[in-house]
Amino acid sequence: GESVGLHLPTLSVQEGDNSIINCAYSNSASDYFIWYKQESGKGPQFIIDIRSNMDKRQGQRVTVLLNKTVKHLSLQIAATQPGDSAVYFCAENAPLTGNQFYFGTGTSLTVIP
Amino acid sequence: EPEVTQTPSHQVTQMGQEVILRCVPISNHLYFYWYRQILGQKVEFLVSFYNNEISEKSEIFDDQFSVERPDGSNFTLKIRSTKLEDSAMYFCASRGYGELFFGEGSRLTVL
Repeated sequence: GESVGLHLPTLSVQEGDNSIINCAYSNSASDYFIWYKQESGKGPQFIIDIRSNMDKRQGQRVTVLLNKTVKHLSLQIAATQPGDSAVYFCAENAPLTGNQFYFGTGTSLTVIP
Repeated sequence: EPEVTQTPSHQVTQMGQEVILRCVPISNHLYFYWYRQILGQKVEFLVSFYNNEISEKSEIFDDQFSVERPDGSNFTLKIRSTKLEDSAMYFCASRGYGELFFGEGSRLTVL
């Protein structure tokens, strides 16, 4: 049959394990990044952000790492829980080119109880 | 906690009809956005609005689309003559000086 839509990268982890979700961004001028969680049928929910003057930022159970050299962003979720199952998007903003945020393709995280 | 609210949550319309999607951004925010997400695909930028005018728009945001901030609280997206391919989730978002906050979306189904 015909395939419709993008095939999201998927990640399956056991409950309690740590998850690492990766994102490659496109614009070397981007200086502000946000990770969003999107559950089925809902809007993107802010998780954590980071500015380009930092390479690491920690929140509750989440850590974002930024490597500007290779334009790579990662989201680490500690002790992953079933409620973490969702699609995760990174978004980048480059103020010099506008106020909009550009979203990555997303990664579908499934937590196995 | 302040939030972005959107109405309707779901609208079904016939091709060629006009649709207005409504949003109430977070009250002290300065930047307002519309994004859309076709089922199973990524979130796509449509338009941003600042200081009562469009600041950026994507190639998706053609002459069939318009935005308005008719009063101090509402922010609307109008599609003048809907097409089948306009079927998607439409998300409103607002921003102060940092985080971009999204509403829960309006699902538009064009038949």
